[in-house]
Amino acid sequence: AQKITQTQPGMFVQEKEAVTLDCTYDTSDQSYGLFWYKQPSSGEMIFLIYQGSYDEQNATEGRYSLNFQKARKSANLVISASQLGDSAMYFCAMRAQGGSEKLVFGKGTKLTVNP
Amino acid sequence: NAGVMQNPRHLVRRRGQEARLRCSPMKGHSHVYWYRQLPEEGLKFMVYLQKENIIDESGMPKERFSAEFPKEGPSILRIQQVVRGDSAAYFCASSPRLRGTDTQYFGPGTRLTVL
Repeated sequence: AQKITQTQPGMFVQEKEAVTLDCTYDTSDQSYGLFWYKQPSSGEMIFLIYQGSYDEQNATEGRYSLNFQKARKSANLVISASQLGDSAMYFCAMRAQGGSEKLVFGKGTKLTVNP
Repeated sequence: NAGVMQNPRHLVRRRGQEARLRCSPMKGHSHVYWYRQLPEEGLKFMVYLQKENIIDESGMPKERFSAEFPKEGPSILRIQQVVRGDSAAYFCASSPRLRGTDTQYFGPGTRLTVL
């Protein structure tokens, strides 16, 4: 069974600073995908970034980057130059290759960006 | 290029009534996933459907819940005889399931409140 652990219920960061949100995962699959989603207070789920287990380079999307350490089974999200609009819940998720490829989510981290 | 559409956005039902939640996937996507988010929790997988087929319903409660994705029209998640514990946000996601393109894109969710 797959499991995602997000150990930080809440994080605070000053505007314009970088912040790292932690995510560790557990799986026996060799091939899998890791995702980060943002959920603002309005409630929608916004896809941020994806990392495949066989990708050799860390994924980047604008101000978002994924620090993928396969041996440690961690997939931390790094947000550079935080903005007030980054305040939201952030969810890490994993998907196994094959089968239904359903996503397994962590419990989330609430990020607050202070001016 | 419209995203995943869900309606209604908010639904209030009394105990014992039926709730019908609709999801129209993104254009070109033929795979639909339903997830449920309880307060202060991450999303939990419920069911995965392709057109006219249920592929994986391992996350669906055994009673009162059903889902369909007909050849024409939206996917429907149906909850019969709702109870207060069904109060949650229900998210639909769609994916094209093409090789190398397997991100799930989420709709805005339906917030179900059972009185």
